[in-house]
Amino acid sequence: EADIYQTPRYLVIGTGKKITLECSQTMGHDKMYWYQQDPGMELHLIHYSYGVNSTEKGDLSSESTVSRIRTEHFPLTLESARPSHTSQYLCASSEYSPSYEQYFGPGTRLTVT
Amino acid sequence: AQTVTQSQPEMSVQEAETVTLSCTYDTSENNYYLFWYKQPPSRQMILVIRQEAYKQQNATENRFSVNFQKAAKSFSLKISDSQLGDTAMYFCAFIVGGTSYGKLTFGQGTILTVHP
Repeated sequence: EADIYQTPRYLVIGTGKKITLECSQTMGHDKMYWYQQDPGMELHLIHYSYGVNSTEKGDLSSESTVSRIRTEHFPLTLESARPSHTSQYLCASSEYSPSYEQYFGPGTRLTVT
Repeated sequence: AQTVTQSQPEMSVQEAETVTLSCTYDTSENNYYLFWYKQPPSRQMILVIRQEAYKQQNATENRFSVNFQKAAKSFSLKISDSQLGDTAMYFCAFIVGGTSYGKLTFGQGTILTVHP
């Protein structure tokens, strides 16, 4: 399995709370991504980064924010969680290479009550 | 904009048999890459197979092979000798090549169940 980690794996939290989902990779990849995936559904890109201090919004609008201060770390933050944020969040990384393969973390399943 | 369509929400197959998952895509680009990813229940998504659009030869990885029809914009995955461990959700994905900022576009996914 790829060396990309996400914590926590499962999170149940009340409405209005601030949360940070952690993602780290040890492969030295410059490119990192956050996807949102509802159960049994397709993946939607919500944020991506091409390197330190680079962050861009993805195709699906999200109220979350991200930061990229270190190459290996790409956390996602929700300032005020709402039930509509309930979903699975997948982190991925890739090299700048013709292969374009993305390596995925195990995901964080978030439930906002 | 690129789109990827998987028209089979669910498929099932008996162990040791062969199954084919369908994928079509739409693009005006000529340089691109296609992928099949596998997402087992509660486990990490992993790459199954990759096809470069400029290669005419279909990619093969052990029991997994693709039928890449560039003119028809079709990219199906064939799994031979299906095993219980193949049970997963399979995603077809597309990326434009030749750029450093490419983003994957995923299909809707196909849930494959392998029965003993």
